[in-house]
Amino acid sequence: AQKITQTQPGMFVQEKEAVTLDCTYDTSDPSYGLFWYKQPSSGEMIFLIYQGSYDQQNATEGRYSLNFQKARKSANLVISASQLGDSAMYFCAMREGGAGGYNKLIFGAGTRLAVHP
Amino acid sequence: NAGVTQTPKFQVLKTGQSMTLQCAQDMNHNSMYWYRQDPGMGLRLIYYSASEGTTDKGEVPNGYNVSRLNKREFSLRLESAAPSQTSVYFCASSIGQPQHFGDGTRLSIL
Repeated sequence: AQKITQTQPGMFVQEKEAVTLDCTYDTSDPSYGLFWYKQPSSGEMIFLIYQGSYDQQNATEGRYSLNFQKARKSANLVISASQLGDSAMYFCAMREGGAGGYNKLIFGAGTRLAVHP
Repeated sequence: NAGVTQTPKFQVLKTGQSMTLQCAQDMNHNSMYWYRQDPGMGLRLIYYSASEGTTDKGEVPNGYNVSRLNKREFSLRLESAAPSQTSVYFCASSIGQPQHFGDGTRLSIL
């Protein structure tokens, strides 16, 4: 069965430092996708970054990068130069199956990040 | 730029009451989804609609029904609400990836 594991319930980081949020996944499907979403205290789900299983390079989006290690089945999110506004809940999610028109997501339990000034 | 709009934002129901959560998207997406988020957990898929005219069960469909009214709208119905359905409900839509989420509906069942 497909599964996403986020082992860090909570993390803290000093402002302007980098932080890595861990995510491991389990799937037997060779085609899959991995996502990171941010959920601030206001509650909305904000898409951050996506990595496809066949992508050759690690995804980057501004201060966000995804450290994709396929053999280890890990897809860690790296946030560089943390800002106070980065304080939020972060969810790792996996798409079941191929990159068709629709995609069912499986979510991890999340990591709460606190950025300290 | 509305994106995915959910109504209502908050609702309190009594056990046994029925309710429909509404979701509409203006991004011309083919696929729509309903998730629930319980405290300390990630989102879990209730139902999804891959395209207009189709619906399928997700991970936790019991106690819910859905209707894909047209390409824009996907509603979630609780026929007889139970306290275990107290949760935050998110609607999402996509064409490919990623999924775009609404702001959620916070539902309490007393």
